[in-house]
Amino acid sequence: SYELTQPPSVSVSPGETARITCSGDALETTYVHWYQQKSGQAPVLVIYEDTKRPSVIPERFSGSSSGTMATLTISGAHVEDEADYYCYSTHRTSRVFGRGTRLSVL
Amino acid sequence: QVQLVESGGGVVQTGRSLRLSCAASGFSLSNYALHWVRQAPGKGLEWAAALSFDASNEYYADSVKGRFSISRDTSKNTLYLQMNSLRAEDTAVYYCARDRLPRRDGYNGFDYWGQGALVTVSS
Repeated sequence: SYELTQPPSVSVSPGETARITCSGDALETTYVHWYQQKSGQAPVLVIYEDTKRPSVIPERFSGSSSGTMATLTISGAHVEDEADYYCYSTHRTSRVFGRGTRLSVL
Repeated sequence: QVQLVESGGGVVQTGRSLRLSCAASGFSLSNYALHWVRQAPGKGLEWAAALSFDASNEYYADSVKGRFSISRDTSKNTLYLQMNSLRAEDTAVYYCARDRLPRRDGYNGFDYWGQGALVTVSS
């Protein structure tokens, strides 16, 4: 079955740039979407189709993709960005989330 | 505005059945694929099932195939998940989520999510 690989955790200080990666064999030909989930809350879409940001998401969130790896970048992370982040993609009939990355901002 | 509200969660014994509902407002189920995504306690997100916008196609994760069934009632604008032969590993918060693009089969990610319904399967 298809898998997406994320680092379990990333830690940055406030104001630093956080980068969360997501790798998968099919990412060269499929889109990645990114979700933020804060404790006890439903996930929220922060990046779709590799690089696009919903209008309600702050500009410090951006996405990129190259080859079999996609990256979510938070430029100048805020304390309130501390959350779990999941990448999501599809491959043939599979719909798959990465295992999630816990972002600590402290 | 778009809203999704799940209901029907609770505690159920191993091997029994439960049906979840997801009431949608602010849009028509007839125009969007809908999904169920679950999250076991302390674990990550797992896609479970999807129904295409025209209800002609149902999709299931291997972990639930043959036990779960996704359906909808357009007159009530409500999505359902019938869960049979429940196992301890089905214990999770179940979210319904709308596919991001209209009139597609459901391969485009999710733009709106409900707040989730907790299902606990216990012996």
